[in-house]
Formats: sequence, structure tokens, C-alpha cells
Amino acid sequence: EAQVTQNPRYLITVTGKKLTVTCSQNMNHEYMSWYRQDPGLGLRQIYYSMNVEVTDKGDVPEGYKVSRKEKRNFPLILESPSPNQTSLYFCASRPSTWTGLNEKLFFGSGTQLSVL
Amino acid sequence: GQQLNQSPQSMFIQEGEDVSMNCTSSSIFNTWLWYKQDPGEGPVLLIALYKAGELTSNGRLTAQFGITRKDSFLNISASIPSDVGIYFCASMNYGGSQGNLIFGKGTKLSVKP
Repeated sequence: EAQVTQNPRYLITVTGKKLTVTCSQNMNHEYMSWYRQDPGLGLRQIYYSMNVEVTDKGDVPEGYKVSRKEKRNFPLILESPSPNQTSLYFCASRPSTWTGLNEKLFFGSGTQLSVL
Repeated sequence: GQQLNQSPQSMFIQEGEDVSMNCTSSSIFNTWLWYKQDPGEGPVLLIALYKAGELTSNGRLTAQFGITRKDSFLNISASIPSDVGIYFCASMNYGGSQGNLIFGKGTKLSVKP
């Protein structure tokens, strides 16, 4: 089954303790992206990746890191989490970065992160 | 940066009623999309629109790409309880090196049986 898999689904941590949220897709998609969803603010892009070893900042990259060593994986790293990073996080992927009709973004089920 | 203004922010309706929500922008886009997020899940694409004036249906859902290319609306007819969720508009200008989606802030729909 074609899917985007995020882990963990729920995570409670403390300020300053490094954490990684994993994301994996089995659709051979070039493009992957991370979003955070906050009440009243909708979905805001954190980082995206056009292909392996190619990453770029989205709208709210501060406090986050990503890597894209393999096509299928795009982990989100919080080196020193803070309470304002408490949010619902979504990973997403889509096929080809260069065709016009590449809007079919597939989302994972989300990771609810709480930073105390 | 570019922003999408989505309204209303939330709606509480009775089962069987029709629903209408819209999205506007000061920028021109060449693609408009509507996503639905069920509680506890990620957003799923409902309808994609590619041409100004285009009207597309998906079951009880109908969406239109505005003539000015700066707006879009989504209508849901004869709502049912499973329509509950958050609806997001999204837009982009494909081509070039990016093609990142911009999302509206969402319309939260509640349906009373």
C-alpha cells in the first residue's frame, strides 16, 4: 500500500532533549516536506527536499533540521526542543518535481509533539 | 509572502444542509486545491483545479477556480456526519524549481446529526 509513515505518533519530551521524528515513503517520490499544524494557523511548511541531498527552508525553519540521505526517508530533527515547538507535525511527499501537475501531496498521519 | 485567506474559520451545521467555503488571495495562482483532514489524520486531496473558471465535482463536493485566478470556493451539498473535519484550500504556481503549496488556515466543519 502506497503510504507516508511517520513515527512516533505521539511524543512527550522536555525542553532541550534532542529528538528525531522519522518519515518514510514507499512511492519513490522525489519531493518530501515537513509541516506543522497549529490551531488558527493552518499548515506551515518547515523544510522541504526536492531530492536526495537537496533540502531547503520553508516558512518556519527555526529550531529544526532535516536530512535527505536516501530517497525514501526525510527525518525531522529538533536539536534543542522548546515549548513553542509543541505542535502537530506532518510529513508529506509527492512525485516528480518538474512536471506541472505535481500537486498530489500525500500526507502521513501526523506526530503530536508536546515539549514540557 | 503569499497568503491564502480562507473563510469561514468554522461552521456548525445541521445534517442535510449545504455548506460553502472560500479562499481568496492577492496573488494569482495557476492551481487551486482542496484538502480534507479527518480528525487524527493527515489531509487528503479532494479536488484539484487547473484552469480559471473551471468547475469540478467529486460526489457531493463541487469546487470552482475563480476567473481572476485569485480565489476558489468549495461547496458540499446535503451534508452528512462524516463530512466533519477541517477543510484546507491550497494553491501553487507550478513550473520552475519549487512548486511549493501554500495552505489556507482551514475551515473546521461540525455536522449535527
